[in-house]
Amino acid sequence: SQTIHQWPATLVQPVGSPLSLECTVEGTSNPNLYWYRQAAGRGLQLLFYSVGIGQISSEVPQNLSASRPQDRQFILSSKKLLLSDSGFYLCAWREPGRGSNQPQHFGDGTRLSIL
Amino acid sequence: AQKITQTQPGMFVQEKEAVTLDCTYDTSDPSYGLFWYKQPSSGEMIFLIYQGSYDQQNATEGRYSLNFQKARKSANLVISASQLGDSAMYFCAMREGGTGGRRALTFGSGTRLQVQP
Repeated sequence: SQTIHQWPATLVQPVGSPLSLECTVEGTSNPNLYWYRQAAGRGLQLLFYSVGIGQISSEVPQNLSASRPQDRQFILSSKKLLLSDSGFYLCAWREPGRGSNQPQHFGDGTRLSIL
Repeated sequence: AQKITQTQPGMFVQEKEAVTLDCTYDTSDPSYGLFWYKQPSSGEMIFLIYQGSYDQQNATEGRYSLNFQKARKSANLVISASQLGDSAMYFCAMREGGTGGRRALTFGSGTRLQVQP
């Protein structure tokens, strides 16, 4: 069966420090991958999505970036964190080329606090 | 304009009763899908139920059912026989059709459901 792993679960970082959040999926090939951010008490906002290795699409301009160095690995990065980057970050995957009824499956999330 | 609107920030329900969580959507795409997710306090997003725009019947999944009214662009989630473990945030989401791999979800702002004993 497919599983998604996301780490770390929680992270406290100072303003201006770099960031790297990692997400890996097991049990599937060439998944569609997504990074979302959820502000406290709010819905999810799509940040990036990827349909294949090295293919990244950005939804919202910001100081974050994403990379997909391997088929089932998706990384969210920043060179210099801002206070506004605080939030709950969720990685998700979906089977490619399937019907529109395929849901996205989410990792457990990373709670990021910027001090 | 909001694509997904959840007008109930919070809802209370007595244990064993049914509850309806509202969701309206806005799209001009004839092909779309509607999803409901549950987010407990631990944070993970749990997929509950799906309704396709061309589906003739309302979706059901155990105690969850979706009251899909296409002309009104609403897709309300009905939870029957509420349990204490149903207390969580509930999000309605939509994926619009088309080609390409985006297939990302647009989420509503959520409804916090509290089940009371």
